[in-house]
Amino acid sequence: DVKVTQSSRYLVKRTGEKVFLECVQDMDHENMFWYRQDPGLGLRLIYFSYDVKMKEKGDIPEGYSVSREKKERFSLILESASTNQTSMYLCASSRTGTGSHQPQHFGDGTRLSIL
Amino acid sequence: GEDVEQSLFLSVREGDSSVINCTYTDSSSTYLYWYKQEPGAGLQLLTYIFSNMDMKQDQRLTVLLNKKDKHLSLRIADTQTGDSAIYFCAEKRSSASKIIFGSGTRLSIRP
Repeated sequence: DVKVTQSSRYLVKRTGEKVFLECVQDMDHENMFWYRQDPGLGLRLIYFSYDVKMKEKGDIPEGYSVSREKKERFSLILESASTNQTSMYLCASSRTGTGSHQPQHFGDGTRLSIL
Repeated sequence: GEDVEQSLFLSVREGDSSVINCTYTDSSSTYLYWYKQEPGAGLQLLTYIFSNMDMKQDQRLTVLLNKKDKHLSLRIADTQTGDSAIYFCAEKRSSASKIIFGSGTRLSIRP
């Protein structure tokens, strides 16, 4: 089974802090994704990565950056945390294959609160 | 637009069938997915259907696809309390590895 592990289930930080959310997958997947989930808005894609050191902006990248130095690890960085970044953050990974069945596998999420 | 649309809430009686509906926009979508999210957890892949299929059945789950209307549905037979969750519809377009998610339908079960 694919295992996607997010480093923290719950995190509380202060406004202005630099925050790191870590995600590791154990299935050698090429693609990794960061989403945030807010009530009534579903999942919104922040950033994704197709390969090591590659990154692409998603739908809501403002206020975030990412790092993919190793294939199995994808980090989400909040450069200067703000209260509107309080949310549930979900990491996912998938194998490459634009025309084939390659679903995304999700971690359990990190509930981040910015005070 | 690019939206995948679902109603936000559904309430059914225990033992009845639940039908969760979804509309998508891209006729070139190759795979359509249903994910389940239990409280406090990530998303779990429930089932999927390829775009050249009309129906897929997997135990209590039945997926119906109407390509003409771009309508997808998930039927859960004999709904149980453990089926309480948020259900996300998602489409994967042929041109990308990204998946577009709907906003999720919260299914609640009443006795």
